[in-house]
Amino acid sequence: QVQLQEAGPGLVKPSQTLSLTCTVSGGSVNSGGYYWTWIRQHPAKGLEWIGYIYHSGSTYYNPSLKSRLTMSIDTSKNQFSLNLSSMTAADTAVYYCAREVRDYSGSGSDYYIDFWGQGTLVTVSS
Amino acid sequence: DIQMTQSPSSLSASVGDRVTITCRASQGIRSDLGWYQQKPGKAPKRLIYAAYILGSGVPSRFSGSGSGTEFTLTISSLQPEDFATYYCLQHNSFPRTFGQGTKVEIK
Repeated sequence: QVQLQEAGPGLVKPSQTLSLTCTVSGGSVNSGGYYWTWIRQHPAKGLEWIGYIYHSGSTYYNPSLKSRLTMSIDTSKNQFSLNLSSMTAADTAVYYCAREVRDYSGSGSDYYIDFWGQGTLVTVSS
Repeated sequence: DIQMTQSPSSLSASVGDRVTITCRASQGIRSDLGWYQQKPGKAPKRLIYAAYILGSGVPSRFSGSGSGTEFTLTISSLQPEDFATYYCLQHNSFPRTFGQGTKVEIK
């Protein structure tokens, strides 16, 4: 059973950079076919897709966050990370790491998110 | 970006009711759509992927249909554990985008 666990500060000051790490157990971040993903949820709101990093290090960032976002992957530690700079109160949210699967089927590929971390609340406040 | 419009935003239903939630994509996404269930304080859980394929361990009262721009999640007989918020997510292109969510409440 794959498990993901977020770690990082629960409180960040405005203008600072948020750094979160997701540690994966029961599976390898170095395996192909998986997009290691970050998703956030503002308080009492819906889900917002932040971006992904692939085992090769290739990334895709949500254009709405791209200028402030950096993701990295550490295969030796089986972790991937998110850095979000210039934090404001609008970035207060629960941040989830997740694994999106590319499942090669007979007619092409099916995609789905099969495992999520429990989520970590990040509050931006001075 | 592909916009996902989900309706209704909330609904009240009784145990045993048939419930239908709809998701509409702003452009065609083939069958690249998943449905996820979220309970308070928990991470979402996969229910359906590829529009109609039931995830592992998901009860058969859940079903999905649709392709292109119109998709439906149906719960054939609502159970107490199904009261939750449901989201669609398009997996057709990046950035991925979610519907706004549908909160299913007890009537």
